Formats: sequence, structure tokens, C-alpha cells
Amino acid sequence: SQKIEQNSEALNIQEGKTATLTCNYTNYSPAYLQWYRQDPGRGPVFLLLIRENEKEKRKERLKVTFDTTLKQSLFHITASQPADSATYLCALRRTGTASKLTFGTGTRLQVTL
Amino acid sequence: NAGVTQTPKFRVLKTGQSMTLLCAQDMNHEYMYWYRQDPGMGLRLIHYSVGEGTTAKGEVPDGYNVSRLKKQNFLLGLESAAPSQTSVYFCASSSGLEAFFGQGTRLTVV
Repeated sequence: SQKIEQNSEALNIQEGKTATLTCNYTNYSPAYLQWYRQDPGRGPVFLLLIRENEKEKRKERLKVTFDTTLKQSLFHITASQPADSATYLCALRRTGTASKLTFGTGTRLQVTL
Repeated sequence: NAGVTQTPKFRVLKTGQSMTLLCAQDMNHEYMYWYRQDPGMGLRLIHYSVGEGTTAKGEVPDGYNVSRLKKQNFLLGLESAAPSQTSVYFCASSSGLEAFFGQGTRLTVV
């Protein structure tokens, strides 16, 4: 069956360090992969999108990599700040599917001073 | 600039009651989605639509029905609510790339 897996355990890091979150998938041929941020009591907010033919994407302090051989995406936040504390979700849209967008379970990031 | 608006924000239902959740978007998006979010389960797709008049089943469609009579609206119906449908429901819309989410509806079925 198709699965999108993210580390369910919270990631705790110190302010200023780089946070790295992982998204693994099985039995998918994704057209592209997206990362979202979700704060408590709010809906997810789009951060970055990377296509299947792209290896890396950057936006300010954020970087996403996409390895279709390993079936894995890594999401990096450099120089992390307490305001980066949130749950981060990855989402996949498969090749050939009529725009069905499927999400992983999310990883909670806690950045401490 | 409203984006995606969900109505209502909170609701308590008794088992067996019915209700409709309304999602409205003002971005002229073709695609709309209904998800439920439960602790430890992430966002699970209930139903989605790729255009006005179309609907399709997602991962967890049982117990729910949807309609997309107008492009800007996507309705989620519960015909006979069950305690297992207690959840936070999110609607989203998309032009095919990034998705925009509503603020969520917290539904409790007692």
C-alpha cells in the first residue's frame, strides 16, 4: 500500500542550529512534493514545492531536497528560531492522479533558546 | 482577501444527527478537498473535486457525502453522525500546485 512517513517523534533543537526533517514514501510515483507548516488550531500553510526532476529548492532559511531513488525528501531550516516551532507536513501529488494531494502525519519541531 | 472559509468553526452533534459543512473559496481554484485530522493520524483525505460538478473518493470516504454544485463551494455532509467522526475537518483549494486551507471545523459527536 502507499505510505508517506514522517518521524512521529518531536524534534527538539537549540536556537541557531539547523533542523532537518525527513519524509519517506513508498509505492508512489510523485509528480511533486510539498512541505507545509501547521500551527496549533490552524490550517496548514504552504512553504515549498519541489518537482520530481528537481534535486533541491531553497527559500530564505528553508531548503528542500528530493531523492526519487531513495524515495525521500529532507526539509532543512537553517539558523532556527523559536518562532519556527510548529508541525511540518509533507504532501505528495502522484503522477497521473487527478490532483489528489496526500499528506504525511507530520513532525513537530520545538526550537528552544 | 478571504481565501478559504469554512462554516461553522465548531459544532457538537448527537449520534445520528446530520449536518453539512460548507467550504467557500474566492480564488477561482478548480480543485477542492476535504480532510479530517485526528491525533497521530495526520491529514486524511475524505473526498475531493477536480472541478464544478465532479467529486471523487479519498482515503476515508465512508459516512460522508459531498457536492460541488458551484465552483467556489464544496459541501461535506454527514447523514448520520457517529462518535468516530469526531475530528477536526479542513477544507482546501488548489489551482493544481500549492493548496490553501481553511481554518478548520472542530466537530464533536456525542
